[in-house]
Amino acid sequence: KAGVTQTPRYLIKTRGQQVTLSCSPISGHRSVSWYQQTPGQGLQFLFEYFSETQRNKGNFPGRFSGRQFSNSRSEMNVSTLELGDSALYLCASSLDGGAAEKLFFGSGTQLSVL
Amino acid sequence: GQQLNQSPQSMFIQEGEDVSMNCTSSSIFNTWLWYKQDPGEGPVLLIALYKAGELTSNGRLTAQFGITRKDSFLNISASIPSDVGIYFCAGQASGTYKYIFGTGTRLKVLA
Repeated sequence: KAGVTQTPRYLIKTRGQQVTLSCSPISGHRSVSWYQQTPGQGLQFLFEYFSETQRNKGNFPGRFSGRQFSNSRSEMNVSTLELGDSALYLCASSLDGGAAEKLFFGSGTQLSVL
Repeated sequence: GQQLNQSPQSMFIQEGEDVSMNCTSSSIFNTWLWYKQDPGEGPVLLIALYKAGELTSNGRLTAQFGITRKDSFLNISASIPSDVGIYFCAGQASGTYKYIFGTGTRLKVLA
């Protein structure tokens, strides 16, 4: 079974630009969560999607948005990029995002904002 | 954002030594997950724990769900160079589906 696939692996953008990251969950998984990982702040929860609906949201500004498609694939968008948005963005999938479910991560997208 | 406290933050050990690390929270959790992350890669799930007091092994790794449900422990026996990486815990509280992650323990193994 293929794991969680994130594309692209690396991105370099400049301040003010916008970026879209993609995540394909494990086949059969319907919940997709996004995390931002920086050396100083660790893994921070961005949002979770289930059945094309945002079900949970972390404490990030509105510049961070996402969506989920009917095949459970998810995209994350960051508009008006800032230097502080440089981070590893991780996507994780689980069956239904319910209690006691295991989270499986992709390899991440390393975003550098110059 | 909220994070769990992991201890130690980092450790250097000799190959062959045993390693212990822990994760503590002020909240009660119903599920604990332990992950290992290599540089530039996503975290890989090592062990999942579901009950207070539960002890689960995965090869040389053993994790325990603390009886207070506010902590968890990971032990690695007879460490080898490929154990190098950052180990994260993640806890899920009752009534929420969100996982809170620990600050990570960076492990370095000297051959």
